[in-house]
Amino acid sequence: QGQLEESGGGVVQPGRSLRLSCAASGFTFTNYAMHWVRQAPGKGLEWVAVTSYDGSNRYLADSVKGRFTISRDNSENTLYLQMNSLRADDTAVYYCARGRGYCGGGRCYFYGMDVWGQGTTVTVS
Amino acid sequence: DIQMTQSPSSLSASVGDRVTITCQASQDISNYLNWYQQKPGKAPKLLIYDASNLETGVPSRFSGSGSGTDFSFTIGSLQPEDIATYYCQHYHNLPPLTFGGGTKVEIK
Repeated sequence: QGQLEESGGGVVQPGRSLRLSCAASGFTFTNYAMHWVRQAPGKGLEWVAVTSYDGSNRYLADSVKGRFTISRDNSENTLYLQMNSLRADDTAVYYCARGRGYCGGGRCYFYGMDVWGQGTTVTVS
Repeated sequence: DIQMTQSPSSLSASVGDRVTITCQASQDISNYLNWYQQKPGKAPKLLIYDASNLETGVPSRFSGSGSGTDFSFTIGSLQPEDIATYYCQHYHNLPPLTFGGGTKVEIK
């Protein structure tokens, strides 16, 4: 089925940077797209970013575009989220999630998330 | 971007009741819709994909329907372990993969 474990969260001052990691196990990491989803305290889910299985297609939510970068190291079965210029409204639990979908015909189709980590908390204050 | 409007935002029902949540997309998304369950303090869990397909291992009291812009999610007979917040999410075309605002289900 697969397991995901996030790390790297913590308390950081506004304007500073943080890098989150997500270690994958129990499935063939290189076969799957991967997502980051966040949840601010007491709020709903917000999709943040996705990368295709090979990192060639990457998308970010408008709220983080220009500040966050999603990447992956398929040799280490690890997903990353580099977060720069952090703001108070980035405070949230950040989940990594395995994505469904496929790439073909020159584009990728992302169908949602079927395996989730337990999340790592980022507090910007 | 496509917006997803979920209703109600919360509901209270008795054990054994039939519970229905609706989700409306701001444009036609065909059947490209997932439903997730999130229990307090836990990560979300995929329950239904392609609007009406039950994920493996999910109890059959959960179901989904709809296409185009209007969708519904039903718990056929509410159980105590179903206390959670439920989210719809579209995956039509390119990202963002927007979530609905969530529906918190409680026991009366």
